[in-house]
Amino acid sequence: KNEVEQSPQNLTAQEGEFITINCSYSVGISALHWLQQHPGGGIVSLFMLSSGKKKHGRLIATINIQEKHSSLHITASHPRDSAVYICAVNSGAQKLVFGQGTRLTINP
Amino acid sequence: EPEVTQTPSHQVTQMGQEVILRCVPISNHLYFYWYRQILGQKVEFLVSFYNNEISEKSEIFDDQFSVERPDGSNFTLKIRSTKLEDSAMYFCASSDEGQPQHFGDGTRLSIL
Repeated sequence: KNEVEQSPQNLTAQEGEFITINCSYSVGISALHWLQQHPGGGIVSLFMLSSGKKKHGRLIATINIQEKHSSLHITASHPRDSAVYICAVNSGAQKLVFGQGTRLTINP
Repeated sequence: EPEVTQTPSHQVTQMGQEVILRCVPISNHLYFYWYRQILGQKVEFLVSFYNNEISEKSEIFDDQFSVERPDGSNFTLKIRSTKLEDSAMYFCASSDEGQPQHFGDGTRLSIL
């Protein structure tokens, strides 16, 4: 069983829609990360959180430690948001354990 | 903003040859990592490096792999005798204590 599970694996939506990507994990963690992987392969860190909620522009990340669940929301989605979104966790060590990613496509 | 830089962006090598992937982490960071992503699969941890030594490594990081910080700026991953299954995108990352990791753009390694 994967330590980090994301859903959905693929998501296609129309421009302007509210997007939610979910992440569940099965291990104790010190922090959870949301990352964005561009079509060319580069990885960018979006959020690092260990409790509560963080917001950056149109992106919001929440985490529920008791339920071992996190969500990434995108408001007013735009075609430039199209990318693979990856959930990853630190389980007490510095290394990251990655989910399989959610491929998001926003159509104009 | 400071960046992690990786060279080369694409490396093509014959099976059995040695390959060295190079990374320049962000200068004041203390922790360094290598990850790999086989095409179509999730990113996997290879090794972490702190205080001039390996702090953690995965099962993938066997005797064919080694890392080095030869000077104050470079961080290298060496694969001694490459196999077909080593074909992947290799990412270097660096971080400060308790802070998000910054990733390079990756090196695409193709083994023929």
